Amino acid sequence: KNEVEQSPQNLTAQEGEFITINCSYSVGISALHWLQQHPGGGIVSLFMLSSGKKKHGRLIATINIQEKHSSLHITASHPRDSAVYICAVDSGGSNYKLTFGKGTLLTVNP
Amino acid sequence: DAGVIQSPRHEVTEMGQEVTLRCKPISGHNSLFWYRQTMMRGLELLIYFNNNVPIDDSGMPEDRFSAKMPNASFSTLKIQPSEPRDSAVYFCANAKTRYNEQFFGPGTRLTVL
Repeated sequence: KNEVEQSPQNLTAQEGEFITINCSYSVGISALHWLQQHPGGGIVSLFMLSSGKKKHGRLIATINIQEKHSSLHITASHPRDSAVYICAVDSGGSNYKLTFGKGTLLTVNP
Repeated sequence: DAGVIQSPRHEVTEMGQEVTLRCKPISGHNSLFWYRQTMMRGLELLIYFNNNVPIDDSGMPEDRFSAKMPNASFSTLKIQPSEPRDSAVYFCANAKTRYNEQFFGPGTRLTVL
């Protein structure tokens, strides 16, 4: 069983819809990353968080350490948001151990 | 700053050949990571350097893989000898520290025939 589970695996939405992608993990972590991978393959870091909530433009990331769960929200979705969204957890202490989820493929139709 | 630079962008080689992938990180960003991405396994961390020193290489698949960071502005990932199962996209990423956001290079798509 993967230590990091994302849901849904695939998500199709209409432009303007509110999107939520979930990430659950089973280990103690020091930080959680949300990454976006464009159709061309490039990877961009969206958020790194260890508690609470962060917001950047139309993107919001939340984390609940007690429940070992994080969500990525996209408000007023747009076709350019179509990408794979990947959750990754840093569970290392003195070592560095980054475990990735399998990703959520988001398609936003105009 | 041009961001993280990787070369080559594409590499096609034959089984048994040595492959060297290169990464030029962002100046002043002291944490460097090498990742591999395949359809089957997704993204995997191979090795993490901090201040040019390898901190964790437990993700390096086997002795055929080696990575170096001789100075703050250059890192290499070498595969010798290469095998078809090494075919993947290899990303280099860079951060100020392990606890900051990471900046990814464009990746090197490696095909081993």
